[in-house]
Amino acid sequence: SAVISQKPSRDICQRGTSLTIQCQVDSQVTMMFWYRQQPGQSLTLIATANQGSEATYESGFVIDKFPISRPNLTFSTLTVSNMSPEDSSIYLCSVDHGAGANVLTFGAGSRLTVL
Amino acid sequence: GNSVTQMEGPVTLSEEAFLTINCTYTATGYPSLFWYVQYPGEGLQLLLKATKADDKGSNKGFEATYRKETTSFHLEKGSVQVSDSAVYFCALRWRDDKIIFGKGTRLHILP
Repeated sequence: SAVISQKPSRDICQRGTSLTIQCQVDSQVTMMFWYRQQPGQSLTLIATANQGSEATYESGFVIDKFPISRPNLTFSTLTVSNMSPEDSSIYLCSVDHGAGANVLTFGAGSRLTVL
Repeated sequence: GNSVTQMEGPVTLSEEAFLTINCTYTATGYPSLFWYVQYPGEGLQLLLKATKADDKGSNKGFEATYRKETTSFHLEKGSVQVSDSAVYFCALRWRDDKIIFGKGTRLHILP
């Protein structure tokens, strides 16, 4: 299965600032998914990032707040813009395990705390 | 739309007890079903999966059977260990669409 590296693993941020999370995969993948896990909650899909096209955002998430880049088939970034304490969450990158497997592999996550 | 419902936690058991975490789903057709586990301070890991009716997924002593007639995928383990303490998520995926997760069940195992 793919191995995913996420950076940073955790950070403490000030209100009103922005932070970019990086996701590096050790193999080429078509789709990369960004999820948010708020404290004590389940995972919510933010957007799907395809190389060479605009990311597809889920209801309740907008590009101005969560801009995503996907410059190649092994890398993506998610920026959390103009942060507020409500953005304190774990953000996870995930990719398809492999062709036909229908399984998602997840990175270890980036735990953000906004003060 | 597709959805997953799993039992509320936390669930607290003594070591060597029998575990059941209930999961039911709503979906059209035959989605793939999953159990993911999140150990403290870590990301999600796939625990087991089943892709069609009557399939049984198993791993690390855990198992779950895809029951189309009851739209269920309950997680079971015959004898839990302290190291099984984690949050367990039931999930479904319809083809290449997004994965839909349940709310998670926190499991505490007491020595």
